[in-house]
Amino acid sequence: GEDVEQSLFLSVREGDSSVINCTYTDSSSTYLYWYKQEPGAGLQLLTYIFSNMDMKQDQRLTVLLNKKDKHLSLRIADTQTGDSAIYFCAETSNSGYALNFGKGTSLLVTP
Amino acid sequence: NAGVTQTPKFQVLKTGQSMTLQCAQDMNHNSMYWYRQDPGMGLRLIYYSASEGTTDKGEVPNGYNVSRLNKREFSLRLESAAPSQTSVYFCASSEGRLETQYFGPGTRLLVL
Repeated sequence: GEDVEQSLFLSVREGDSSVINCTYTDSSSTYLYWYKQEPGAGLQLLTYIFSNMDMKQDQRLTVLLNKKDKHLSLRIADTQTGDSAIYFCAETSNSGYALNFGKGTSLLVTP
Repeated sequence: NAGVTQTPKFQVLKTGQSMTLQCAQDMNHNSMYWYRQDPGMGLRLIYYSASEGTTDKGEVPNGYNVSRLNKREFSLRLESAAPSQTSVYFCASSEGRLETQYFGPGTRLLVL
């Protein structure tokens, strides 16, 4: 399948902003998602953006979408230690059913 | 609502043994999915069921079979487990095509 690319690690200090980046491949993707996975747990839907939007804000989370460059980012404002987790970017696939996931970005928030 | 539930949470198998992973959802979703998650590989789709009575192969279907028992339940069967099937298995469901997928807590499987 096509690859969704993410950087593997990010470390930030508590209170700073975190920006997690993702590039996707399918220009026909309808929705793009951010999921959060805490250690030993399943995937929790954080937010998603419809492909005809440029930005979506939801409390501390801001999603930016650049369709021309196929680039998606997730900004977490005022990052807390509880935000430490793996964050997955995902796009709807060509089949229109499954999601194509990136390999995940491990976010470490230090005091 | 429990959302998506999976059983068992953990399982250890010997090579060649068989087992069935169970998944159920109470959101009245039409579509259900099985993924596996391996370190450094993200999630890969094994099988999906677009609606009750249909199943289709995903990216990595070899060594697995599925059954969409009814609208609520979607099971994954390993007929003859292999060490390469050691993984964390996630079930997910969505209302339909292109709708948001909701995930279960996962089943951690170790094949010796």
